[in-house]
Amino acid sequence: SQTIHQWPATLVQPVGSPLSLECTVEGTSNPNLYWYRQAAGRGLQLLFYSVGIGQISSEVPQNLSASRPQDRQFILSSKKLLLSDSGFYLCAWVMNTEAFFGQGTRLTVV
Amino acid sequence: AQSVTQPDIHITVSEGASLELRCNYSYGATPYLFWYVQSPGQGLQLLLKYFSGDTLVQGIKGFEAEFKRSQSSFNLRKPSVHWSDAAEYFCAVGATTDSWGKLQFGAGTQVVVTP
Repeated sequence: SQTIHQWPATLVQPVGSPLSLECTVEGTSNPNLYWYRQAAGRGLQLLFYSVGIGQISSEVPQNLSASRPQDRQFILSSKKLLLSDSGFYLCAWVMNTEAFFGQGTRLTVV
Repeated sequence: AQSVTQPDIHITVSEGASLELRCNYSYGATPYLFWYVQSPGQGLQLLLKYFSGDTLVQGIKGFEAEFKRSQSSFNLRKPSVHWSDAAEYFCAVGATTDSWGKLQFGAGTQVVVTP
């Protein structure tokens, strides 16, 4: 069966520090992968999606970037974190328009 | 582009009472519609989905939803809630013309269950 892994589960980082969140999918090949962010008290905002290795589309301008170095790996990064980057980050794998979510990473920028 | 509105930010319901969560969407054609549930600190779990066919959709955990094209709605219902149903619920819409499968989520409805 297909599974999706995200780590770390929680992260506290100082303003200006770099960020790297990793998401991997097992049990499928060439998945469509997505990064969503959920700010406190708000819904999910689509940040990036990828339909293949090296193919990244950004939905909103921001301080973050994404990369897909391998078929089943999707990375969310930042060179310098801002306070406004705090939130709950969710990786999702989409098959036949149905999204399967990882357990999320709670990022607090202090 | 599609969009989703969940008018109720917060709902409090007594255990054993019925629950209805509202969802309205905007999309030019028949969309793909989903309801997800998120327990505290967790990812999202799919409750049910509508692609086509019967407009009354049955999901997991005793939930159902009805697609009403004339009202652009996809409301979620449960006849009798359990304390474990306390969570945040998200309605989502996917464009049938979007091969990438991007989903647009509503802002969510927080459900509190009282004894």
